[in-house]
Amino acid sequence: EDKVVQSPLSLVVHEGDTVTLNCSYEVTNFRSLLWYKQEKKAPTFLFMLTSSGIEKKSGRLSSILDKKELFSILNITATQTGDSAVYLCARGGDDMRFGAGTRLTVKP
Amino acid sequence: EAGVAQSPRYKIIEKRQSVAFWCNPISGHATLYWYQQILGQGPKLLIQFQNNGVVDDSQLPKDRFSAERLKGVDSTLKIQPAKLEDSAVYLCASSLRRGEFTDTQYFGPGTRLTVL
Repeated sequence: EDKVVQSPLSLVVHEGDTVTLNCSYEVTNFRSLLWYKQEKKAPTFLFMLTSSGIEKKSGRLSSILDKKELFSILNITATQTGDSAVYLCARGGDDMRFGAGTRLTVKP
Repeated sequence: EAGVAQSPRYKIIEKRQSVAFWCNPISGHATLYWYQQILGQGPKLLIQFQNNGVVDDSQLPKDRFSAERLKGVDSTLKIQPAKLEDSAVYLCASSLRRGEFTDTQYFGPGTRLTVL
């Protein structure tokens, strides 16, 4: 079965902490690796990665892809309560596959 | 730029009834996706269209679910008959199938279906 596995499933931190979220995927039909943030509604796009070793950054968020080891990480530095959400990764291709998500809770 | 539109936003039906959901993607987006998201899980791809052709429907329960995108623009997803386990949020997404933007999806607000 084509799987995207995220870890940890949930994480509780305090404001100001740095977190690292993990995503591993199977290589079948791989074209890209995507990260989304889902609060109460629909997922919103964060990053798309296609090349190994090239970090993408947006403010306090950054992500990198390792195509040899088939994983990606999403880093959030100086976390804020507004970062509380479910973070989803997806293996992009002609058949999109999402992981179950990591639920991040940031406490004041 | 208008986002992905979905209707209805909420639907409550009894088991064995039928239900249909509608999606209008972002203008110019060739690829349209329907996902089922059960509470606590990630979105599960049901069907993916490229214009009006099906790219992937391997996870669509074809005995009860059907979808169409007749003119390559808006799409409908139907469940007939519904089961209790179909209770979920049904998300529609679209993407611009062009170069590096091929897989970047934009999601609609979703339809929350409750089957009683």
